[in-house]
Amino acid sequence: NAGVMQNPRHLVRRRGQEARLRCSPMKGHSHVYWYRQLPEEGLKFMVYLQKENIIDESGMPKERFSAEFPKEGPSILRIQQVVRGDSAAYFCASSPRQGEPEAFFGQGTRLTVV
Amino acid sequence: DQQVKQNSPSLSVQEGRISILNCDYTNSMFDYFLWYKKYPAEGPTFLISISSIKDKNEDGRFTVFLNKSAKHLSLHIVPSQPGDSAVYFCAASGSGGSNYKLTFGKGTLLTVNP
Repeated sequence: NAGVMQNPRHLVRRRGQEARLRCSPMKGHSHVYWYRQLPEEGLKFMVYLQKENIIDESGMPKERFSAEFPKEGPSILRIQQVVRGDSAAYFCASSPRQGEPEAFFGQGTRLTVV
Repeated sequence: DQQVKQNSPSLSVQEGRISILNCDYTNSMFDYFLWYKKYPAEGPTFLISISSIKDKNEDGRFTVFLNKSAKHLSLHIVPSQPGDSAVYFCAASGSGGSNYKLTFGKGTLLTVNP
């Protein structure tokens, strides 16, 4: 009965590289949400996905960021050409049904751009 | 334009006493409010929630109060225990189709001293 699994827990990238963050939702959950927490800030919504569909990406930066949740496998948050300002904790959450605010969060991936 | 504000970055209380964490919001479209607890290096864990049609919700040692006219909510923990030491995030969501989207405050670090 594993919870939301995120990997890696820590990721270090040089400026200009790509970062790939993975999230496996809880068993039976088909709704995935990504949040970003910048230093000294609260979590901020980025994107909501269901299997093979992006439902709401209103919180995603317009460039360099993309997310997917394929039919098979984990959800991926991809950041291209990372910059120092991308350094943050990225949290994934999942829920079994649409419209449930009480999502279950993973432990997060801490991205450091050097 | 912080829509959810937790004005106290930290709070320290003695074991056995009451902890009161406060949260203010500005968006009148919010109608569901949640508290999450977060330990270092872990993801947020859902604690308790309240709908805008209620003014109080209780779950064991945790009680959340909502004052809609003041756009204010608070979390009471009685009695406080050392294991309650964590960062507490207040979050809010709106009605309708986007109620999955949580808006978080910056958090309050609670320290319960033995």
